[in-house]
Order: sequence, then structure tokens, then C-alpha cells
Amino acid sequence: ETGVTQSPTHLIKTRGQQVTLRCSSQSGHNTVSWYQQALGQGPQFIFQYYREEENGRGNFPPRFSGLQFPNYSSELNVNALELDDSALYLCASSPSPGTRDNEQFFGPGTRLTVL
Amino acid sequence: QKEVEQNSGPLSVPEGAIASLNCTYSDRVSQSFFWYRQYSGKSPELIMSIYSNGDKEDGRFTAQLNKASQYVSLLIRDSQPSDSATYLCAVKRGSNFGNEKLTFGTGTRLTIIP
Repeated sequence: ETGVTQSPTHLIKTRGQQVTLRCSSQSGHNTVSWYQQALGQGPQFIFQYYREEENGRGNFPPRFSGLQFPNYSSELNVNALELDDSALYLCASSPSPGTRDNEQFFGPGTRLTVL
Repeated sequence: QKEVEQNSGPLSVPEGAIASLNCTYSDRVSQSFFWYRQYSGKSPELIMSIYSNGDKEDGRFTAQLNKASQYVSLLIRDSQPSDSATYLCAVKRGSNFGNEKLTFGTGTRLTIIP
């Protein structure tokens, strides 16, 4: 069984730039959620994708956008980067939404630093 | 009031003792509760999930849920130095489409003292 993978591992960008982060879901999972974790904080929900459609969104501005592909992999795009976007970006995969015991499993994360 | 609250610690426990981690949540309709372990510089790892009132045991870990008190806890028996990590409590409000987000606490940092 293949676990959740993310790329790249680390990334350094400057303010105003754009970034794309990638995630491959665990085998058998068709749902991907993205979270942002600032230092010393718990992860914050950005959005979730199921069947290539956004299935819920947290309190993040529109410059955070995403995609899901037919193979269930996903991208997180962030435009006009700000210093506060520096964080660990986590992707979690899970089976189809709609059940109480739906568990989310995290990938290793991408550490983004904005200078 | 935060949606999910945890004591940030640090919590220090002697090796071999029981570590007790607590979490309260504000949304009464929450249905699913999870404990994740996060080592420094790593991503969260799911260690327990619980959905019904009472206790759920898995090896050295026991999760306890009391929906009336809006309280969930994690007990770690026979604590080992490898248990030293930050423990994140996560809550899911519903199980219908569009309502699957996990809301996390800020985590409790646990240190096991040899």
C-alpha cells in the first residue's frame, strides 16, 4: 500500500511570487484535504477535494486555490505570496466523504518559507 | 472560545507512568474525534479515533469520550521516551458532504523523562 506523498519537501519563495504544491493520495483513497500549519499551531483546514470538485473550504482567501486530477492527486496553488504564508503545508487523504469514521492520513508535508 | 482547546504543556511524565492528555471542544454536534502524534519537524500521525461515548483501547493507548461534557482524552500507559511528541486533538463536525474538515487544537507537548 502506497502512503500519501508530497512534493517538494522544502521551498523558498519571495513575497509576491506564486507557488504550486503537489500531493498524491494513498492508494484506495479518492479525497484530498489541504491544511496549513504555522509554527506552534495546529493544522488549519484550507479545502478538500472529492471527485475533482471542492468539497468544503476554510477561512482562506481566494489566492489559495486547488485542483484534483482524475487519478485523485491534487495541487495547492498560492498566488501573491505573503510572509505569513510561511508554514508547513499538509495534504491528507481519506476515503469518500460522508461517513462518521472517515479517517484522514497525512503526507510528510511541504515546508514553505516566504522571504 | 476556541473550537478545540488543549493544554499546550509541556507535560513531563516519568518513563513507565501514565500520561494523560485532555481536550475540550465547543461544537455540540461534533461526531468524530481523533488523536494525532506529531514529532518535531514531522507531519501528524493518526494514533486513535473515537466516535461513541466511553473508552476505546488500542495497545498502550486509551481514548475516552464524554459528549455531554464535550471532553475527549488520551491515556498512554507505560510511557516510553519514544512517546515524547506533540499530541494533537482533532474534531470533525459532521459526516455529510461538505462538512468533513478537521478542526485541531494547538497540541500538547509531552516529554517522557527516562
